[in-house]
Amino acid sequence: SQTIHQWPATLVQPVGSPLSLECTVEGTSNPNLYWYRQAAGRGLQLLFYSVGIGQISSEVPQNLSASRPQDRQFILSSKKLLLSDSGFYLCAWREKGQGTVEAFFGQGTRLTVV
Amino acid sequence: KQEVTQIPAALSVPEGENLVLNCSFTDSAIYNLQWFRQDPGKGLTSLLLIQSSQREQTSGRLNASLDKSSGRSTLYIAASQPGDSATYLCAVRGNFNKFYFGSGTKLNVKP
Repeated sequence: SQTIHQWPATLVQPVGSPLSLECTVEGTSNPNLYWYRQAAGRGLQLLFYSVGIGQISSEVPQNLSASRPQDRQFILSSKKLLLSDSGFYLCAWREKGQGTVEAFFGQGTRLTVV
Repeated sequence: KQEVTQIPAALSVPEGENLVLNCSFTDSAIYNLQWFRQDPGKGLTSLLLIQSSQREQTSGRLNASLDKSSGRSTLYIAASQPGDSATYLCAVRGNFNKFYFGSGTKLNVKP
């Protein structure tokens, strides 16, 4: 069966420090991968998605970047964190297809920038 | 750009009640709509997926309907239980593999 792993589960980082969040998927190949952010009391905002290795689409301009060095690995990064980067970050995956395919989410990373 | 709205933002009901959560979206050109549950501090658990060609899907006490032309979906929860307390999110999948979420309905079922 397929599983998705995100780590770390929680992270407290000072302003100006770098960031690296990792997401890996098992049990599937060539999935679409997504990074979302959920700010306190708000909905999920799509940050990046990827349809293949090295292929990254950005939804909103921001202080973050994403990379997909391997088929089932998706990394969210920042060179210098801002206070506004605090939030709950969720990775998701789905198999390629049309209307019949569900999306599945990881357990999230709670990032607090201090 | 697709806008997804969920009403109400919060709902508190006594145990045993039947309830309806609403989701509306502005662009009817969707592939599917998915309902999720999120417990505090946790990731999302998929509840139901409705394809754009379908009108409804059922899973246990949950029934989700979709009216694509009017841009609406409802999640019906029968005989609510305290364990149903969570935030419920709907997401629509449009072009270019993108999902757009509503801000959720926070449900509290009181024993």
